[in-house]
Amino acid sequence: QVQLQESGPGLVKPSQTLSLTCTVSGASISSAGYYWSWIRQHPGKGLEWIGYIYYSGSPFYNPSLKSRVTISVDTSKNQFSLRLTSVTAADTAVYYCARERFYDQNRSYLDSWGQGALVTVSS
Amino acid sequence: DIQMTQSPPSLSASVGDRVTITCRASQNIGDYVNWYQKKPGKAPKVLIYGAASLQSGVPSRFSGSGSGTDFTLTISSLQPEDFATYYCQQSYNTPRMFGQGTKVEIK
Repeated sequence: QVQLQESGPGLVKPSQTLSLTCTVSGASISSAGYYWSWIRQHPGKGLEWIGYIYYSGSPFYNPSLKSRVTISVDTSKNQFSLRLTSVTAADTAVYYCARERFYDQNRSYLDSWGQGALVTVSS
Repeated sequence: DIQMTQSPPSLSASVGDRVTITCRASQNIGDYVNWYQKKPGKAPKVLIYGAASLQSGVPSRFSGSGSGTDFTLTISSLQPEDFATYYCQQSYNTPRMFGQGTKVEIK
């Protein structure tokens, strides 16, 4: 059974870079048919899709964050990562990594999630 | 971007009630809709994918329907463990967009 686990600093200063890593166990990040995603939830708010990446392809980002976000994958470590630059208090959120499963005619859904990592932006 | 509009934002219901949540897409997305359950402090969990397919292990009291722009999540008989927030999500294109959520509370 696949498991995902986020790791990284829980506190980031304004204007600095938020960095999180998601370690995947129980499945290969190089498996066909899966994209690796980042989603966040601001306190008391809904879910916001940040972006995703295929192990051998280019990432796709939410246009609202595209100028500040980078998602990358390290197949040797079975990990993928999120970098968000120039953070402000508005980036304070719980950040989830998740696996998006693709099936019939490019349909897909998020079938496995990490437990989430709270990142607070504050000086 | 495809906007997903959920209603109602919240509802109060009793154990055993039938609950219906709706989601409207801003354009035709076929059946590229998924439904997730979110409890405080827990990761979201997929309930329904492809508008109507029940994820393995999810109780059969959950069902989904719809296509095009209008979608529905139904809980046929609400159980205590179903009090949570529910989100629809489109997987038709990127950026993936979620509805604003529907919080199901105890009456």
